[in-house]
Amino acid sequence: AQRVTQPEKLLSVFKGAPVELKCNYSYSGSPELFWYVQYSRQRLQLLLRHISRESIKGFTADLNKGETSFHLKKPFAQEEDSAMYYCALKDNTDKLIFGTGTRLQVFP
Amino acid sequence: EAGVVQSPRYKIIEKKQPVAFWCNPISGHNTLYWYLQNLGQGPELLIRYENEEAVDDSQLPKDRFSAERLKGVDSTLKIQPAELGDSAVYLCASSSSFTDSGANVLTFGAGSRLTVL
Repeated sequence: AQRVTQPEKLLSVFKGAPVELKCNYSYSGSPELFWYVQYSRQRLQLLLRHISRESIKGFTADLNKGETSFHLKKPFAQEEDSAMYYCALKDNTDKLIFGTGTRLQVFP
Repeated sequence: EAGVVQSPRYKIIEKKQPVAFWCNPISGHNTLYWYLQNLGQGPELLIRYENEEAVDDSQLPKDRFSAERLKGVDSTLKIQPAELGDSAVYLCASSSSFTDSGANVLTFGAGSRLTVL
Protein backbone atom coordinates (compact mmCIF):
# COMPACT_ATOMS: atom_id res chain seq x y z
CA ALA A 1 0.00 0.00 0.00
CA GLN A 2 1.11 3.53 -0.66
CA ARG A 3 2.43 5.23 2.42
CA VAL A 4 4.47 8.26 3.41
CA THR A 5 6.43 8.13 6.65
CA GLN A 6 7.87 11.09 8.47
CA PRO A 7 9.55 9.56 11.50
CA GLU A 8 10.14 12.77 13.44
CA LYS A 9 7.23 14.71 14.93
CA LEU A 10 9.54 17.47 16.09
CA LEU A 11 12.95 18.65 14.99
CA SER A 12 14.67 21.42 16.94
CA VAL A 13 17.83 23.16 15.77
CA PHE A 14 19.65 26.42 16.35
CA LYS A 15 19.86 29.12 13.74
CA GLY A 16 22.65 28.42 11.27
CA ALA A 17 22.64 24.67 11.86
CA PRO A 18 21.95 22.22 9.03
CA VAL A 19 18.50 20.74 8.78
CA GLU A 20 17.31 17.44 7.39
CA LEU A 21 13.65 16.47 7.58
CA LYS A 22 13.21 12.82 6.77
CA CYS A 23 10.62 11.35 4.45
CA ASN A 24 10.33 7.75 3.36
CA TYR A 25 7.71 6.38 1.03
CA SER A 26 6.23 3.08 0.03
CA TYR A 27 5.05 2.92 -3.56
CA SER A 28 5.38 0.31 -6.26
CA GLY A 29 5.28 2.64 -9.23
CA SER A 30 7.25 5.68 -10.28
CA PRO A 31 6.62 8.24 -7.54
CA GLU A 32 6.01 11.93 -7.73
CA LEU A 33 6.90 13.57 -4.44
CA PHE A 34 6.29 16.95 -2.87
CA TRP A 35 7.04 18.92 0.25
CA TYR A 36 4.30 21.17 1.60
CA VAL A 37 4.81 23.67 4.42
CA GLN A 38 2.48 25.39 6.86
CA TYR A 39 3.82 28.46 8.65
CA SER A 40 2.12 29.64 11.82
CA ARG A 41 -1.37 31.01 11.10
CA GLN A 42 -0.92 30.47 7.37
CA ARG A 43 -2.30 28.00 4.88
CA LEU A 44 -0.70 24.80 3.77
CA GLN A 45 1.35 25.58 0.67
CA LEU A 46 3.68 23.88 -1.75
CA LEU A 47 7.37 24.22 -0.94
CA LEU A 48 8.91 22.11 -3.68
CA ARG A 49 8.46 19.00 -5.81
CA HIS A 50 11.04 16.55 -7.01
CA ILE A 51 10.35 16.87 -10.73
CA SER A 52 11.30 20.55 -10.62
CA ARG A 53 14.68 19.82 -9.06
CA GLU A 54 14.70 23.34 -7.67
CA SER A 55 15.85 25.02 -4.49
CA ILE A 56 13.18 27.03 -2.68
CA LYS A 57 14.10 29.24 0.29
CA GLY A 58 17.39 27.37 0.42
CA PHE A 59 15.69 23.98 0.74
CA THR A 60 16.41 21.06 -1.57
CA ALA A 61 15.14 17.51 -1.71
CA ASP A 62 16.52 14.64 -3.73
CA LEU A 63 14.53 11.57 -4.64
CA ASN A 64 16.47 8.42 -3.74
CA LYS A 65 14.63 5.49 -5.27
CA GLY A 66 17.03 2.96 -3.80
CA GLU A 67 16.32 4.12 -0.26
CA THR A 68 12.73 5.21 -1.12
CA SER A 69 13.43 8.55 0.49
CA PHE A 70 12.83 12.21 -0.25
CA HIS A 71 14.52 14.02 2.60
CA LEU A 72 14.30 17.81 2.80
CA LYS A 73 17.57 19.60 3.51
CA LYS A 74 18.85 23.06 4.18
CA PRO A 75 22.47 23.81 5.03
CA PHE A 76 21.81 26.78 7.34
CA ALA A 77 18.45 27.01 9.11
CA GLN A 78 16.80 30.38 9.70
CA GLU A 79 14.27 31.30 12.38
CA GLU A 80 11.67 31.95 9.70
CA ASP A 81 11.94 28.30 8.63
CA SER A 82 10.04 27.30 11.76
CA ALA A 83 6.89 25.61 10.49
CA MET A 84 5.11 22.31 9.96
CA TYR A 85 6.47 20.35 7.00
CA TYR A 86 4.54 17.62 5.20
CA CYS A 87 5.93 15.19 2.69
CA ALA A 88 3.42 13.99 0.07
CA LEU A 89 3.28 11.31 -2.61
CA LYS A 90 1.13 11.35 -5.72
CA ASP A 91 -0.06 7.87 -6.59
CA ASN A 92 -1.17 6.49 -9.94
CA THR A 93 -4.75 7.64 -9.36
CA ASP A 94 -3.53 11.21 -8.89
CA LYS A 95 -4.32 11.04 -5.19
CA LEU A 96 -1.96 13.02 -2.97
CA ILE A 97 -1.00 11.06 0.17
CA PHE A 98 0.47 13.09 3.01
CA GLY A 99 2.75 12.08 5.82
CA THR A 100 1.98 13.00 9.42
CA GLY A 101 4.26 16.01 9.32
CA THR A 102 7.36 17.23 11.15
CA ARG A 103 7.41 20.41 13.17
CA LEU A 104 10.67 22.29 12.67
CA GLN A 105 11.67 24.68 15.44
CA VAL A 106 14.63 26.95 14.77
CA PHE A 107 15.95 28.67 17.88
CA PRO A 108 17.86 31.96 17.75
CA GLU B 1 -6.83 36.88 -6.09
CA ALA B 2 -8.46 35.69 -2.88
CA GLY B 3 -7.18 32.17 -3.28
CA VAL B 4 -9.29 29.25 -2.17
CA VAL B 5 -12.07 30.56 0.05
CA GLN B 6 -13.69 28.42 2.72
CA SER B 7 -16.48 29.10 5.15
CA PRO B 8 -17.17 28.97 7.97
CA ARG B 9 -13.71 29.14 9.52
CA TYR B 10 -14.99 27.73 12.79
CA LYS B 11 -18.07 25.75 13.67
CA ILE B 12 -19.18 24.31 17.00
CA ILE B 13 -22.15 21.98 17.04
CA GLU B 14 -23.65 19.30 19.20
CA LYS B 15 -23.45 15.70 18.11
CA LYS B 16 -26.20 14.49 15.82
CA GLN B 17 -26.59 17.97 14.34
CA PRO B 18 -25.93 18.61 10.65
CA VAL B 19 -23.14 20.86 9.39
CA ALA B 20 -22.09 22.12 5.98
CA PHE B 21 -18.86 23.60 4.68
CA TRP B 22 -18.48 25.67 1.56
CA CYS B 23 -15.52 26.11 -0.75
CA ASN B 24 -14.84 28.45 -3.63
CA PRO B 25 -11.74 27.36 -5.57
CA ILE B 26 -9.33 29.50 -7.52
CA SER B 27 -10.87 30.75 -10.72
CA GLY B 28 -10.11 28.38 -13.58
CA HIS B 29 -9.05 25.48 -11.39
CA ASN B 30 -10.95 22.45 -12.62
CA THR B 31 -9.92 20.06 -9.84
CA LEU B 32 -11.26 20.46 -6.32
CA TYR B 33 -10.37 18.43 -3.25
CA TRP B 34 -11.78 18.03 0.23
CA TYR B 35 -9.29 16.86 2.83
CA LEU B 36 -9.77 15.95 6.48
CA GLN B 37 -7.03 16.81 8.92
CA ASN B 38 -7.15 15.38 12.41
CA LEU B 39 -4.97 16.83 15.15
CA GLY B 40 -1.38 15.72 14.75
CA GLN B 41 -2.02 14.08 11.40
CA GLY B 42 -1.49 14.96 7.78
CA PRO B 43 -4.39 15.77 5.49
CA GLU B 44 -6.38 12.78 4.23
CA LEU B 45 -8.36 12.96 1.00
CA LEU B 46 -12.13 12.69 1.33
CA ILE B 47 -13.18 13.43 -2.23
CA ARG B 48 -11.75 14.80 -5.47
CA TYR B 49 -13.71 16.48 -8.25
CA GLU B 50 -12.73 16.97 -11.87
CA ASN B 51 -15.10 19.74 -12.88
CA GLU B 52 -18.47 18.56 -11.54
CA GLU B 53 -17.61 14.86 -11.51
CA ALA B 54 -16.49 13.12 -8.33
CA VAL B 55 -13.56 11.02 -9.61
CA ASP B 56 -12.38 9.71 -6.24
CA ASP B 57 -14.74 9.45 -3.28
CA SER B 58 -13.43 6.15 -1.96
CA GLN B 59 -12.46 7.69 1.39
CA LEU B 60 -15.72 9.55 1.95
CA PRO B 61 -17.89 7.94 4.67
CA LYS B 62 -21.03 7.95 2.63
CA ASP B 63 -23.36 7.03 5.45
CA ARG B 64 -23.06 10.51 6.92
CA PHE B 65 -20.93 12.58 4.55
CA SER B 66 -22.01 14.00 1.23
CA ALA B 67 -20.53 16.49 -1.18
CA GLU B 68 -21.50 18.27 -4.33
CA ARG B 69 -19.93 20.55 -6.87
CA LEU B 70 -22.70 21.96 -8.95
CA LYS B 71 -21.62 23.67 -12.17
CA GLY B 72 -18.05 22.64 -11.53
CA VAL B 73 -17.11 25.65 -9.43
CA ASP B 74 -18.13 25.95 -5.76
CA SER B 75 -18.45 22.89 -3.59
CA THR B 76 -20.27 21.97 -0.40
CA LEU B 77 -19.35 19.23 2.05
CA LYS B 78 -22.06 18.10 4.44
CA ILE B 79 -22.08 15.91 7.51
CA GLN B 80 -25.37 14.63 8.83
CA PRO B 81 -25.50 13.65 11.60
CA ALA B 82 -22.19 14.76 13.08
CA GLU B 83 -20.38 12.55 15.57
CA LEU B 84 -17.79 13.41 18.20
CA GLY B 85 -15.06 11.85 16.06
CA ASP B 86 -15.78 14.27 13.22
CA SER B 87 -14.04 17.07 15.12
CA ALA B 88 -11.22 18.07 12.79
CA VAL B 89 -10.16 20.62 10.23
CA TYR B 90 -11.77 20.27 6.81
CA LEU B 91 -9.50 21.57 4.08
CA CYS B 92 -10.49 22.47 0.57
CA ALA B 93 -7.89 22.67 -2.19
CA SER B 94 -7.90 23.22 -5.93
CA SER B 95 -5.54 22.70 -8.82
CA SER B 96 -5.42 23.04 -12.56
CA SER B 97 -4.68 20.09 -14.78
CA PHE B 98 -4.31 22.27 -17.83
CA THR B 99 -0.79 23.50 -17.24
CA ASP B 100 2.37 21.50 -16.74
CA SER B 101 3.25 23.59 -13.71
CA GLY B 102 -0.25 23.44 -12.28
CA ALA B 103 -0.95 19.76 -12.46
CA ASN B 104 -0.94 18.21 -9.01
CA VAL B 105 0.13 21.44 -7.33
CA LEU B 106 -2.59 22.05 -4.78
CA THR B 107 -3.59 25.45 -3.46
CA PHE B 108 -5.24 25.09 -0.08
CA GLY B 109 -7.86 27.12 1.67
CA ALA B 110 -7.57 28.21 5.29
CA GLY B 111 -9.72 25.32 6.44
CA SER B 112 -12.90 24.94 8.46
CA ARG B 113 -12.37 23.81 12.03
CA LEU B 114 -15.24 21.70 13.32
CA THR B 115 -15.82 20.96 16.99
CA VAL B 116 -18.53 18.46 17.84
CA LEU B 117 -19.68 18.51 21.48
